[in-house]
Parts: sequence; structure tokens; C-alpha cells
Amino acid sequence: DTGVSQDPRHKITKRGQNVTFRCDPISEHNRLYWYRQTLGQGPEFLTYFQNEAQLEKSRLLSDRFSAERPKGSFSTLEIQRTEQGDSAMYLCASSPIVSGNTIYFGEGSWLTVV
Amino acid sequence: RKEVEQDPGPFNVPEGATVAFNCTYSNSASQSFFWYRQDCRKEPKLLMSVYSSGNEDGRFTAQLNRASQYISLLIRDSKLSDSATYLCVVNRDTDGLTFGKGTHLIIQP
Repeated sequence: DTGVSQDPRHKITKRGQNVTFRCDPISEHNRLYWYRQTLGQGPEFLTYFQNEAQLEKSRLLSDRFSAERPKGSFSTLEIQRTEQGDSAMYLCASSPIVSGNTIYFGEGSWLTVV
Repeated sequence: RKEVEQDPGPFNVPEGATVAFNCTYSNSASQSFFWYRQDCRKEPKLLMSVYSSGNEDGRFTAQLNRASQYISLLIRDSKLSDSATYLCVVNRDTDGLTFGKGTHLIIQP
């Protein structure tokens, strides 16, 4: 399977704990995106990388959230001191740099904070 | 005004009927437009890109009206398997895609 892969697929954590999600993009894709989706909403943009550079961050990305892509390949999204409002599906996507190109999503990582 | 607006539905449509969705976007600098399909608890998947001249892919037709800043999707001869949420998406080319909340379609036998 050469698509975008995410791990773990499901995570249940207690409020206050830290969680980390990993994303492996399609290998030839330079851009990597993180989105968050809650029930009844469309995906909301969090941040994106072009190679290893983090080029944009949404104001949704509070200081408890941090994303990295250290070698321009896989990326991690860490949420510190989780809150119940963080419960959502976290989607990773990738695309080539070509202007106007579409993005391809992974299957998502479901987070439930209890 | 939200960047991308869609009627959330649900649209309940009998099998075989034709159904159309519209979507409006606020940023006139938007450059690329797409329709994504999302099944329950699954990731969004690209349905089709939307071109200025309009484009068709089988039973699906997409139209773009830049002057009025809206995008449409038409589904002909709807199938039960078309039941899903359809997400309208725009791209300003400076960051990732901006998604609408989606329109929920239910095809009834």
C-alpha cells in the first residue's frame, strides 16, 4: 500500500495525558498536511509542511499542539495535556508541490479523551 | 461569512433520481476547486476536480461559476452507493485545502 498511513488509528486517553500521532505520506509528495475533523464538520486545517519546513499554522493549533517533520518524510503531531475538546479525528494528507494539485488523505487517527 | 458554505442536508433522494448540490466560497482568490466524498467514519476521498469550463465524470457533473463564486455537483441516475457526505473544497494555493461542512446525501431504495 503506497498511500498515506497514520498510526495509531484509534487512541483513548485520559484528560491531561500527552498523545502523539504519526503520519507517513506518499513517498514522492513534498507537502504534508494535518487536519482535524469533529462530528458534523468538515476537516479543519491545522498545519502544513513543505519538505521539513512548517509553512503555516492555523490559530486552531494552540500551544498544546506541536507538529514536526524532521527529515521531510514522516510527521508527528503531539497534543500535550489533552482536553475533552481535543476528541476528534486527526487526518494527515499529502500532495506534490504542483500548483492546484489535490491532496490525498490517510485513514485518520481517532482520538477520544475521557 | 464562512469561507466555504454548503447546505448540510440531509438530502433524501429516491434511487435513480438526479440530485444537485451547490456550494459558495468567499475568497475570490481561490484557484482550485474540488468535490470530495466522505463515507461515515472514513477519510475524505477525491471525487472530482472542478474546472471553469465544467467537467463530467460518468454520472457526475461539476460546474464552477467564478463570477458568482459558487460550485455545483450534479449526480444523475443516483445509486444506493452514492449515499455519503459530499465536501466542497477550495484551494488558495498558499496553504492547504479549505473544506465546507459537507452535504449529507441519502439515496433511498
